[in-house]
Amino acid sequence: AQSVTQPDIHITVSEGASLELRCNYSYGATPYLFWYVQSPGQGLQLLLKYFSGDTLVQGIKGFEAEFKRSQSSFNLRKPSVHWSDAAEYFCAVGLYSGGGADGLTFGKGTHLIIQP
Amino acid sequence: GAGVSQSPSNKVTEKGKDVELRCDPISGHTALYWYRQSLGQGLEFLIYFQGNSAPDKSGLPSDRFSAERTGGSVSTLTIQRTQQEDSAVYLCASSYGLAGERDTQYFGPGTRLTVL
Repeated sequence: AQSVTQPDIHITVSEGASLELRCNYSYGATPYLFWYVQSPGQGLQLLLKYFSGDTLVQGIKGFEAEFKRSQSSFNLRKPSVHWSDAAEYFCAVGLYSGGGADGLTFGKGTHLIIQP
Repeated sequence: GAGVSQSPSNKVTEKGKDVELRCDPISGHTALYWYRQSLGQGLEFLIYFQGNSAPDKSGLPSDRFSAERTGGSVSTLTIQRTQQEDSAVYLCASSYGLAGERDTQYFGPGTRLTVL
């Protein structure tokens, strides 16, 4: 079964500083990878996704992520964070069978705190 | 267009009572998913529907949990004889779920269930 590890439970970053959130996955084949963000009391919003092709993917709100097969990683980055980026971030792996999408496997999440 | 909607947004119930949670997917989405988000377990996949059928029920925690979908649209997650450990946020997502397509799940705001 696939699994997703987000090693950092909490990360504190100063506003304007760069950000990297780590995600490692365990899966026997090439996974389909996602980053979602959840603000307090809100549902999950998709930031970006990787299916195939270019290993550096661009998402919304200035985020990007790089798929590294050799490291089984899909780390999320942003060059300069804003106070509004404070939220919970989830990395997820998808398995797609011939019948379409299956349930996603999520990491435990990383809580991002922005210092003024 | 309208996103995934869920009702009620909050539900407080007494232990032993049955509850029904409702999900309205995005129009045109054939696949629908239920997840549970709790402090101890993080985000867990429960069940997904392709049309009205549920190919994968392996994520349902116990036989007290059931789900149905009618008309390829609205879905209801039912929890019978609720227990305190059922307290969580129940999230619904939908996607196009076309065979061979690698599509994206869009999430609703969730239903917060509290079992007293």
